[in-house]
This record gives sequence, C-alpha cells and structure tokens, in this order.
Amino acid sequence: DTGVSQNPRHKITKRGQNVTFRCDPISEHNRLYWYRQTLGQGPEFLTYFQNEAQLEKSRLLSDRFSAERPKGSFSTLEIQRTEQGDSAMYLCASSQRGIEQDTQYFGPGTRLTVL
Amino acid sequence: GENVEQHPSTLSVQEGDSAVIKCTYSDSASNYFPWYKQELGKGPQLIIDIRSNVGEKKDQRIAVTLNKTAKHFSLHITETQPEDSAVYFCAASNWNQGGKLIFGQGTELSVKP
Repeated sequence: DTGVSQNPRHKITKRGQNVTFRCDPISEHNRLYWYRQTLGQGPEFLTYFQNEAQLEKSRLLSDRFSAERPKGSFSTLEIQRTEQGDSAMYLCASSQRGIEQDTQYFGPGTRLTVL
Repeated sequence: GENVEQHPSTLSVQEGDSAVIKCTYSDSASNYFPWYKQELGKGPQLIIDIRSNVGEKKDQRIAVTLNKTAKHFSLHITETQPEDSAVYFCAASNWNQGGKLIFGQGTELSVKP
C-alpha cells in the first residue's frame, strides 16, 4: 500500500502524559500537513511542512504541541502534558510536486483519548 | 478569517434519487476546492476536486460546480446508492498561501434502500 500511513491508530493516555504520533506520507510527496478533527466537525489545520521546513503553524497549535519532519520524509507530532481537550482524531495528509500539487491525500488518522 | 459554510448538515434521500450539498467560502483568493467522503473511523477520502479556472467537473455519478463570483460551489451525486452514505466535507484552499485546507462543517448523507 503506497498511501499515507499513521501510527498508532488509537492512543489512550492519562491527563498530563506526553504522546507522539507518526505520519509516513506518500513517497516523494514534498508537503505534509497535520489536521485535528473533533467529533461532528470538519478537520482543522494545525501545521504543514515543505520538505523538512515547517512553514506555518495554526494558533490552535499551543506550545504543548511540537511537530518535526527531520529528513523531509516522515513526520512526528508530539503533545506534552496532555489535557482532556486534546482528545480528537489527528489526521495527516500529503501532496506532491507538479500539476496537482494542491491535492491532499489523507491517512487513516490517530484517535487520541485523554482520560 | 477564512471560513467555509456547508449546508445541509444532514441529508436523507431514497436510493436512486439525487443529492446536492452546497458550500460558500469567504476568501476570494481561494483557488482549489476539493470534496472528501469520510466513513466512520476512517480518514477523509478525496472524491472530486475543482480548480478556479473551471466552472464544472464530472466523474461518473459525481459532479461539482463552481461560481467564483458568488464564492459558491456544490456537489451533485446522481443515482445515489446505499454505499454513498457517509459524511461529506467541502474545503477551500489557496496553493499560493501554503495550500492549507479550510473545511466546511460536513453533511451526513443517508441513502435509504
């Protein structure tokens, strides 16, 4: 399967713990996006990378959140000192260079539950 | 800020009927408008998209129309089938501003056999 993959698919943690999610984009896609989706809502943009450079961060991304894409391939999203309000589906998407560079393909998501 | 409004929030149709979902966007610089289908517990799946230089696009039973003047775009599904039941999201973006997608609130489509 050459689609976007995300791990883990589900994560249950206690309030105050740190969690890290991983996203593997489609091979050679140079842009990688992170979104957060709460129940009954559309996804909300968090941040994006072009290659290894993080080019934009939403105000939703508090200082407890950090994202990296060290070699321009996979990306990680870390949440420190989790809060119950962080419970959501975290989605990753990637897009390629070229004519359809604006088309984003999403992974299956990581569902986070903070107890 | 950028905003996308989507209506209706729920839509129930009989199998074989047509379904129409409408979206409006606020940022006149938006130039790309995708539609995603999301099934329970899964990530959004791209079903069709349209760019600002085109007014209409069709792919089998699915079509999208764009009115740039009114900042309005719509999804049309003909000959609906039970497997079309899902939540549908519209979105808008501007590639020149990073390409982040601004999503609508979603429409839960139910196709009754």
